[in-house]
Amino acid sequence: EDKVVQSPLSLVVHEGDTVTLNCSYEVTNFRSLLWYKQEKKAPTFLFMLTSSGIEKKSGRLSSILDKKELFSILNITATQTGDSAVYLCAVGPSEGGATNKLIFGTGTLLAVQP
Amino acid sequence: NAGVMQNPRHLVRRRGQEARLRCSPMKGHSHVYWYRQLPEEGLKFMVYLQKENIIDESGMPKERFSAEFPKEGPSILRIQQVVRGDSAAYFCASSSQGTIQPQHFGDGTRLSIL
Repeated sequence: EDKVVQSPLSLVVHEGDTVTLNCSYEVTNFRSLLWYKQEKKAPTFLFMLTSSGIEKKSGRLSSILDKKELFSILNITATQTGDSAVYLCAVGPSEGGATNKLIFGTGTLLAVQP
Repeated sequence: NAGVMQNPRHLVRRRGQEARLRCSPMKGHSHVYWYRQLPEEGLKFMVYLQKENIIDESGMPKERFSAEFPKEGPSILRIQQVVRGDSAAYFCASSSQGTIQPQHFGDGTRLSIL
């Protein structure tokens, strides 16, 4: 069965700390891995990764994928209280190319204290 | 607002009634996805549609649930004869055409069954 596992489940840090969130996956015919940030409402798209070893970067956030070891990490440097959210990892399997469905992990709840 | 629009934001139904959830994709997007998020659980894929076609409904319950994306108008997720277990947040996402495109989410509809 396809699955996505995120760790840790929750994390409390202080402003200015650096955090690393983990995502491991087991899917048939991997296509892509996506990171989202979810506050009160809609999950907001952060990154999509399809190739190993290529870091995606946006401001203080960065992410990288390892397709051999089947995992990805999301790094946040110099954390701010506005980074507090649930971070979701999702994987898109390629089942004969017909579907674009995403399989989500349960998320990591990050709380950044002032 | 050019984002994914869902309505209503909150919907309350009594057991046995019907619930209709609507989703208008982002401008230029022709692919629509529905996900369900139960309390303390991750997002679960339900159905993937393109205009007038259901591409993948592998996550839809076999009974009472249906979805459509007509040529004109929003996508509709319909739940007949609702039960308490249908209480959840239902999210719609859309993507543009192409093999690997990120999905962008709406704010969701919170469905409560009395």
